[in-house]
Amino acid sequence: DGGITQSPKYLFRKEGQNVTLSCEQNLNHDAMYWYRQDPGQGLRLIYYSQIVNDFQKGDIAEGYSVSREKKESFPLTVTSAQKNPTAFYLCASSEGSYNSPLHFGNGTRLTVT
Amino acid sequence: KNEVEQSPQNLTAQEGEFITINCSYSVGISALHWLQQHPGGGIVSLFMLSSGKKKHGRLIATINIQEKHSSLHITASHPRDSAVYICAVGHMDSNYQLIWGAGTKLIIKP
Repeated sequence: DGGITQSPKYLFRKEGQNVTLSCEQNLNHDAMYWYRQDPGQGLRLIYYSQIVNDFQKGDIAEGYSVSREKKESFPLTVTSAQKNPTAFYLCASSEGSYNSPLHFGNGTRLTVT
Repeated sequence: KNEVEQSPQNLTAQEGEFITINCSYSVGISALHWLQQHPGGGIVSLFMLSSGKKKHGRLIATINIQEKHSSLHITASHPRDSAVYICAVGHMDSNYQLIWGAGTKLIIKP
């Protein structure tokens, strides 16, 4: 079955360490997205990519980096520069723009202490 | 004021009740999405609509573009419908960025 796989489900890191969250899709979608979710708030866009080897900053890109070397993969690195990295991170994909349905992974809960 | 407002924030109802969740927005849009987030965190897309009404099983979504308002209805609600329901709109000026509501937490009691 096609879908989006995020790993790991839970991730613990010490402050000052970079950490990379994995996102893989086999839906053949061009567009991929990374969102951050904090309790009681709506999703906030970190980065998005419309096509391989291209990506754009979202609303809260500071302290994060991404790459899109393959259509299927869109890993997110949370760097030590991100001041409040503890959050729930969701990866999504769509065929094209927001005029097509979004497909989400199950998320990664990152805790930094 | 948020550009996408959902109401109510929390809703508790008995099994079998008719449920309505509202979404109002203040920007020009090309599409509106309704999504469901279960306690485990995964999000599922329920509807995407730009006009009129869509129905899938016991779920109905409507949108009034002139009033900038959408509703999600659940008929014959069931405890398995308990989840957070999220409204998101695609801004006319951006092809890839959605504006997200904060969500409505629904609990259906047996």
